[in-house]
Amino acid sequence: QVQLQESGPGLVKPSETLSLTCTVSGGSINNYYWTWIRQSPGKGLEWIGYIYYSGTTTYNPSLKSRVTISIDTSKNQFSLKLTSVTAADTAVYYCARGSYYGRGDYWGQGTLVTVSS
Amino acid sequence: SYVLTQPPSVSVAPGQTARITCEGNNIGSKSAHWYRQKPGQAPVLVVYDDSDRPAGIPERFSGSNSGNRATLTISRVEAGDEADYHCQVWDSSPDHVVFGGGTKLTVL
Repeated sequence: QVQLQESGPGLVKPSETLSLTCTVSGGSINNYYWTWIRQSPGKGLEWIGYIYYSGTTTYNPSLKSRVTISIDTSKNQFSLKLTSVTAADTAVYYCARGSYYGRGDYWGQGTLVTVSS
Repeated sequence: SYVLTQPPSVSVAPGQTARITCEGNNIGSKSAHWYRQKPGQAPVLVVYDDSDRPAGIPERFSGSNSGNRATLTISRVEAGDEADYHCQVWDSSPDHVVFGGGTKLTVL
């Protein structure tokens, strides 16, 4: 059974960079699209972007200028960096395994990141 | 940009059928996926590619997609089905995933 676990700081200051890592266990990181999705408190889901195991990325156009997703296949991990954060970036961040068309079949439990000074 | 519209809430009595809609321009030309999310938990895929079910999802969950509307149908609704349901498609102008706003299903 594939499992994903997010890790990283739960508190980030405004204007700084949010950094999260997702560790994949129970399966290979190869041949899938590894995705970041977030959910602001009381709101719907927002797709941030994904990375193919080969390193090809696709981002949400609304976040593209601030987002970088990277992958380390040797560690079975992929990561998210979101720059210049504001309070609007406060959310539960999920990592997930997906398909080319974005279907997410395995999800991490999510991690709350709060942007505050 | 592509927009998916879901009703904020749907209510149904136990044993009845719940239908949750997801409207978008010509959504029938895209593959729709549906997720169930219980409070404090991550979303779980319940229907993919319009009408397929992942392993472990009961047959009570079904989907359809045509024209400007995709629909998730839950038959013989149980108290445990109470959750938020989110629809999702892939938009190619430019390439990215779009989610609906989510629908809260209340079992009366």
